Amino acid sequence: GAVVSQHPSRVICKSGTSVKIECRSLDFQATTMFWYRQFPKQSLMLMATSNEGSKATYEQGVEKDKFLINHASLTLSTLTVTSAHPEDSSFYICSAGGGPTNEKLFFGSGTQLSVL
Amino acid sequence: GENVEQHPSTLSVQEGDSAVIKCTYSDSASNYFPWYKQELGKRPQLIIDIRSNVGEKKDQRIAVTLNKTAKHFSLHITETQPEDSAVYFCAASILGYKLSFGAGTTVTVRA
Repeated sequence: GAVVSQHPSRVICKSGTSVKIECRSLDFQATTMFWYRQFPKQSLMLMATSNEGSKATYEQGVEKDKFLINHASLTLSTLTVTSAHPEDSSFYICSAGGGPTNEKLFFGSGTQLSVL
Repeated sequence: GENVEQHPSTLSVQEGDSAVIKCTYSDSASNYFPWYKQELGKRPQLIIDIRSNVGEKKDQRIAVTLNKTAKHFSLHITETQPEDSAVYFCAASILGYKLSFGAGTTVTVRA
């Protein structure tokens, strides 16, 4: 299957700092990438849909100014958590579409963010 | 939007027995239904998927059934093994569009 690389795998930062997470599709071009957030023992909640060369589409309740998404190329999307606070601590995971109609989602390895 | 409900939330089975997880969806336009397996701290892995033009699909010990009329689909794992222990998520989408996930089922296989 397709490979999606995500870095870093773990981040510990102080409150108020910004954290950037990268998501790369290694062996295919992903015009669309999705960013999810997952709290412990909960499901994956879609935060935003990232489209190459255009603005991201955010889900209801997700602050676009706090979670900045950039999809500058067909293989790279980034999520920046700005002015992080303890309540932003979570597992963030990206995914990219593949398959004949991009319906198959391949996930990155995830980033565990801990804000002190 | 799409709403996916998943049951049960936890499932404990004896090794060698079968496990069944059921999901319902709300949007009749959804036509793609994947199942993911996630181990603690790791990425979800696609284990099987089905499209709405198919009623059943099988891959070794794993099978998925879909009832479009009732808008529900199920995952069946036969001859369970300890390595099947994980959290399983169902999902639904319109092909090429965003997935909506169920709440997850924690499966524990007792040796």
